[in-house]
Amino acid sequence: KQEVTQIPAALSVPEGENLVLNCSFTDSAIYNLQWFRQDPGKGLTSLLLIQSSQREQTSGRLNASLDKSSGRSTLYIAASQPGDSATYLCAVNNNNDMRFGAGTRLTVKP
Amino acid sequence: DGGITQSPKYLFRKEGQNVTLSCEQNLNHDAMYWYRQDPGQGLRLIYYSQIVNDFQKGDIAEGYSVSREKKESFPLTVTSAQKNPTAFYLCASSIRAFNYGYTFGSGTRLTVV
Repeated sequence: KQEVTQIPAALSVPEGENLVLNCSFTDSAIYNLQWFRQDPGKGLTSLLLIQSSQREQTSGRLNASLDKSSGRSTLYIAASQPGDSATYLCAVNNNNDMRFGAGTRLTVKP
Repeated sequence: DGGITQSPKYLFRKEGQNVTLSCEQNLNHDAMYWYRQDPGQGLRLIYYSQIVNDFQKGDIAEGYSVSREKKESFPLTVTSAQKNPTAFYLCASSIRAFNYGYTFGSGTRLTVV
C-alpha cells in the first residue's frame, strides 16, 4: 500500500524567499503525481499534474519535479508572496489507488 | 464555468440522524469520489464511482452510503451508524477513474451537535 509523506508539516518563510516543499512515496510504480493547494476551510485547487513519464512541470512561479527512482517529488515556489500562504498537498496515483500526503502548511510573512 | 458544486457549506447533525451531502459536476467527468479530511491527516477515500449506476467502497466506507443515478450527481449520506462523523467532506471528479488529474469541490463541514 502506497504511503505518502510530506515533511515538514509546517514552514514559515519571509516574503521573497524561494522555497521547496517535499513529498516522498514508498511505491515508485506510480501513474502520476498531483500537487494541490488548500486554503483554510476550502477545497483543493490543483496546481500541477506530473505524469510518470515526465520529470517536471512548471506553472508561473511554481515548478514541480518528479524522481520516481528515489520516490520523491518537490514543489519549488519562487519569490514567495503572502498570498502563497496555504497548505500544500501532494497526491500519488498508483493505477486505481490515489493516496494523499497530510500536507505542508506554508506561511509567508510580509 | 465548469466545476464541482458541493452543498451545503456547513451542516449540523443531531445524534441518530441521517444527513445527505450534495455533489454536482458539469465537467462531463465519468468518475467521482468522496473524501473525508480530518485535522493533521491526509484525505481518506470513502466511496468512488467510475460510471453511472456503479460505485465502490473506499478505505472508510462504514457508516456512509452513496448513489450515482446521474453522471452529474454523486450524493453522500452520512448515516447514524457513522459514530464520528464530524469532519470536512470533499467531493472530486476526474475524466476517468484514478489515472487522471482530480478536480475538487469546495467542501462541506459536518458537525455533530
